[in-house]
Amino acid sequence: RKEVEQDPGPFNVPEGATVAFNCTYSNSASQSFFWYRQDCRKEPKLLMSVYSSGNEDGRFTAQLNRASQYISLLIRDSKLSDSATYLCVVNRLLMEYGNKLVFGAGTILRVKS
Amino acid sequence: SAVISQKPSRDICQRGTSLTIQCQVDSQVTMMFWYRQQPGQSLTLIATANQGSEATYESGFVIDKFPISRPNLTFSTLTVSNMSPEDSSIYLCSVDGMTGATYNEQFFGPGTRLTVL
Repeated sequence: RKEVEQDPGPFNVPEGATVAFNCTYSNSASQSFFWYRQDCRKEPKLLMSVYSSGNEDGRFTAQLNRASQYISLLIRDSKLSDSATYLCVVNRLLMEYGNKLVFGAGTILRVKS
Repeated sequence: SAVISQKPSRDICQRGTSLTIQCQVDSQVTMMFWYRQQPGQSLTLIATANQGSEATYESGFVIDKFPISRPNLTFSTLTVSNMSPEDSSIYLCSVDGMTGATYNEQFFGPGTRLTVL
């Protein structure tokens, strides 16, 4: 079983739609959580951190459920520019040498006009 | 966040040769990392580049194949040695954004796209 699992999609949605991505992680030692966005042939860029209390940044809302080891990302009012691969990422602190990011395989979103 | 550059941005190499990729950061950072992203795949951590000591490699990656240098707090190199077509990939460096906060996000360089013939 992969440490971070995501539905690969693709999610094909019309402009203005609301879309939700889910992610599960297997290692209970995971300390912090992120959503990254990766455009085609570009490096991943941090979209938002995910806090236990849930957090919102404009049209984007992230939720974390530590008991279920589950992370979600909600995008409201989708724009064409939201088309990208969304990577669920968890961080583990390693006693030996600091922190380690573990990446999910990514969920592809295509927003169409 | 730090500004990270990588050189070269892309290269096409013959099998059996080696390529050294450079990563430069515009500020001093504690942690630097090297990742590989194979076509259609997500990112896999190769190693953590430690300043002043040997890099720490993940399972499946060895120093002889991927030697890493970290001479100071703003620079690191990754060498892909004795390349084969299976090494064709994007190689990315990243830095730890930790500023004393709990959330240890990382920021990535633009990547080096390597094709091995």
